[in-house]
Amino acid sequence: GAGVSQSPRYKVAKRGQDVALRCDPISGHVSLFWYQQALGQGPEFLTYFQNEAQLDKSGLPSDRFFAERPEGSVSTLKIQRTQQEDSAVYLCASSLESGGPSFSTDTQYFGPGTRLTVL
Amino acid sequence: EDKVVQSPLSLVVHEGDTVTLNCSYEVTNFRSLLWYKQEKKAPTFLFMLTSSGIEKKSGRLSSILDKKELFSILNITATQTGDSAIYLCAVYLYGNKLVFGAGTILRVKS
Repeated sequence: GAGVSQSPRYKVAKRGQDVALRCDPISGHVSLFWYQQALGQGPEFLTYFQNEAQLDKSGLPSDRFFAERPEGSVSTLKIQRTQQEDSAVYLCASSLESGGPSFSTDTQYFGPGTRLTVL
Repeated sequence: EDKVVQSPLSLVVHEGDTVTLNCSYEVTNFRSLLWYKQEKKAPTFLFMLTSSGIEKKSGRLSSILDKKELFSILNITATQTGDSAIYLCAVYLYGNKLVFGAGTILRVKS
C-alpha cells in the first residue's frame, strides 16, 4: 500500500472494556513496531515484530497489553480491561528491515495513529 | 537507561527566521539517529544520520550528528508557517528499538 494505515483513527472506551487496534504496514515491510504516545511526549516503544515473530515486547506496560501479527503482515494491538492511564495515541510503524547491513532499511514509516480515550 | 533529550521544548519565531533544534542522547548500542516532523498525524521522516560530521540537507532543512559529543542539530532556514509542527529526535539502537525525545514544538508566526 501507499503508507501505513491504522484503524480505527479514534476510539472511546469505558473503563474496563477491551479494545483492538489494527495496523496495516507498508506492503513488503518485514518489521513492524507499536508505540504509545502520551500527550506532550515523544512516542514510547511497546513491541516489535519481524515477520510474524514478536522479537521484543519489553515496552508493553502490563499483561493487559497483547500484540500479534499472525501472518507477518497486519498486526493487532489488544488492550484488555482498559484503564484511564491507557489513554494515548497508539502509533504503528513499519520498516523494510531492521538491524540489517544497510542502514537505509532502518527508517521507520509511521501510520496516523489511533487516539484512544478511556472514560 | 537510554535517554534522548531535546531542547528547547518549544519555540516561537517569525516567518523568515532561522531556527536550530537540539538533540542530545545517552544510549547504549547506538546505531543511527533520526529526525521526524509531526503535525496532527503520523510522524514523517526527515533525516537519518549515522556518521559524524556529514551534513544531510533537504531544501531548507539540514542536520548534522556529532557522535563524540553525543548530539545532533536540526536547522531550518527561512522558516514558513508550514514548518509549524513538533520535531522529534529518535535514536535507533542495535536490537531494533527507537528511543524518542519529547520533541520540540515549533510555531512559526506570519
